[in-house]
Amino acid sequence: AQSVTQLDSQVPVFEEAPVELRCNYSSSVSVYLFWYVQYPNQGLQLLLKYLSGSTLVKGINGFEAEFNKSQTSFHLRKPSVHISDTAEYFCAVSDNTGFQKLVFGTGTRLLVSP
Amino acid sequence: EPEVTQTPSHQVTQMGQEVILRCVPISNHLYFYWYRQILGQKVEFLVSFYNNEISEKSEIFDDQFSVERPDGSNFTLKIRSTKLEDSAMYFCASSIWREGDEQYFGPGTRLTVT
Repeated sequence: AQSVTQLDSQVPVFEEAPVELRCNYSSSVSVYLFWYVQYPNQGLQLLLKYLSGSTLVKGINGFEAEFNKSQTSFHLRKPSVHISDTAEYFCAVSDNTGFQKLVFGTGTRLLVSP
Repeated sequence: EPEVTQTPSHQVTQMGQEVILRCVPISNHLYFYWYRQILGQKVEFLVSFYNNEISEKSEIFDDQFSVERPDGSNFTLKIRSTKLEDSAMYFCASSIWREGDEQYFGPGTRLTVT
């Protein structure tokens, strides 16, 4: 079984500052990794995913994440945040067998202030 | 851009009543999912559905829950006898393929059981 840990429940940051949202996972098999964003009163939107290949993955809205197999991490980064990035961010994993259910972390609320 | 839709956006029901939550997945998608998010908690997998049958379900998905694809477009989640602890946001998702594919999420139905 897989599990995902997002240690930071909330990350406050000023506009135009860099940010890193941490994600660690646990799995006995190979996994696929995802970051989803949830804006208030909306569904989940995929930011980026790692399936294989290059460990640095670029996504939408200027976000990127790096897969580190030895540290079982998949941290999300953005070099300069905007007010509009204020949202809940979820890290998720699925294994490469079965029917690809997503296992989510508890989420990190990114609060961007001016 | 195609999107997953869900109705209703908010459903209030009394304990013990049956509810049906409806979803219209993206038309060419083949894999369908239900997830739920209890307020303040992580998003949890309930069930996946492919080729008109359940492919995987979680321990949350007990005999009170059922899913159906009654026609070529709708995908429903039924809760036979709601309990207070069923109060949550329920998300429908769909994907084209299985392995590593993005799951597209609907905006959710907020279910409140009183």
